[in-house]
Parts: sequence; C-alpha cells; structure tokens
Amino acid sequence: GESVGLHLPTLSVQEGDNSIINCAYSNSASDYFIWYKQESGKGPQFIIDIRSNMDKRQGQRVTVLLNKTVKHLSLQIAATQPGDSAVYFCAETPNFGNEKLTFGTGTRLTIIP
Amino acid sequence: NAGVTQTPKFRVLKTGQSMTLLCAQDMNHEYMYWYRQDPGMGLRLIHYSVGEGTTAKGEVPDGYNVSRLKKQNFLLGLESAAPSQTSVYFCASSLLRRNTEAFFGQGTRLTVV
Repeated sequence: GESVGLHLPTLSVQEGDNSIINCAYSNSASDYFIWYKQESGKGPQFIIDIRSNMDKRQGQRVTVLLNKTVKHLSLQIAATQPGDSAVYFCAETPNFGNEKLTFGTGTRLTIIP
Repeated sequence: NAGVTQTPKFRVLKTGQSMTLLCAQDMNHEYMYWYRQDPGMGLRLIHYSVGEGTTAKGEVPDGYNVSRLKKQNFLLGLESAAPSQTSVYFCASSLLRRNTEAFFGQGTRLTVV
C-alpha cells in the first residue's frame, strides 16, 4: 500500500547550524504535503505546506523542498535553536482539500547547545 | 485563547469499560477530527466531522463512535475498551476543509489494561 515515511528516526544538530529533515513518499498521485512539529507532551503544530505544482516554499526560518521525480520531500530549518527540538513529520494527501491525510512516523530532532 | 482542549489528559481503563473523550474548540471551526498516535506509526484518522450534526469514518473507525451535537464539541466514545485501543488520542479542528491550519489539542493518553 501507499505510505509516507522518513529516512532517519533521529537527527542531532548543533545550535545555530541548519538542519534538514527528509521524507519519502510512495504515492505518485500525492498532491499536497504538510510538515508538522510535535514537542514532547503536546499536539502536532503546523509548520509549512506545499502543493505538488511547486518545488519550493519558504516560511520563517523554514523551507520545504519537493522533488516529485524521486518522490522526496525535505524540511530545512535555518539557524536552529533549542526550541526547535521536537519530532517532525510529514503528511500527504492525493487531493488538495481532502481531510484524509497520511502521516509519516516522524524524525526526532535534537539541538545540541 | 484556549484553542482546542481535550478532556481528560490521562485515563486508565479496564478491558470492557466505556468512556468518552471530549474535545472542545473555541475558534468556531467547522471541521473537527479525532486521531490516534501509536509508537512507530503516524497519526491515523479515526473519525471526523465537517460540521455540526455530521460525522464520517476515517481510516480506523472500528471500536469508536463519535458525536457532534454542538459545533464546538466533538466527542469520541469507546463502548467496550480493548487493550488495542491503548494509544494517545488527538483532537484537531480546522476552519478550512483542507486541514491546512489544523489546530491540535494536547492529547489524551489512554491505557486499557
């Protein structure tokens, strides 16, 4: 079946460095992607999204890159801060506007002071 | 602003017992969702609602029932709890159907023994 997954379960980054979190998806019909951040003991928090007709989208300190050829999604966080420590996971849906998202399992990002 | 509030935060049930999880949102959102989060797995949609008085099945609806009698509340019921329902449950709400700006509650950790 179709699935959304992450390459690495854990990632440690020095404070101030940039971090890159990857996500692979298998559904070639995926149309819409979202990145979420989940801090310990809290619910997921929306970070940034991207449609399949785009390759790149930037937010505040975050950039999402979409490579449809290899079905790969990445989240780049610039100048990481201690508050960036969390689990990050991607989600996808084949139809923009579809409430049924498929979520990845997540990557735990740890910021080293 | 309270956002999305889940009650209770923790609960231990015996197999066969019943309980109701309450989700309340004060953002006047039309759409509400119940997810479960299990170790090593992404969030999975249990049930959702596109408006007051309406509910629909998600990916893993078996063993759960929901009701949306008031726009601000979305209840998740377990009629006869099973150990397989041990999980962390998240409620979310969104103004727009595409679930882009979904706001999540803090979660309910349920253990069924």
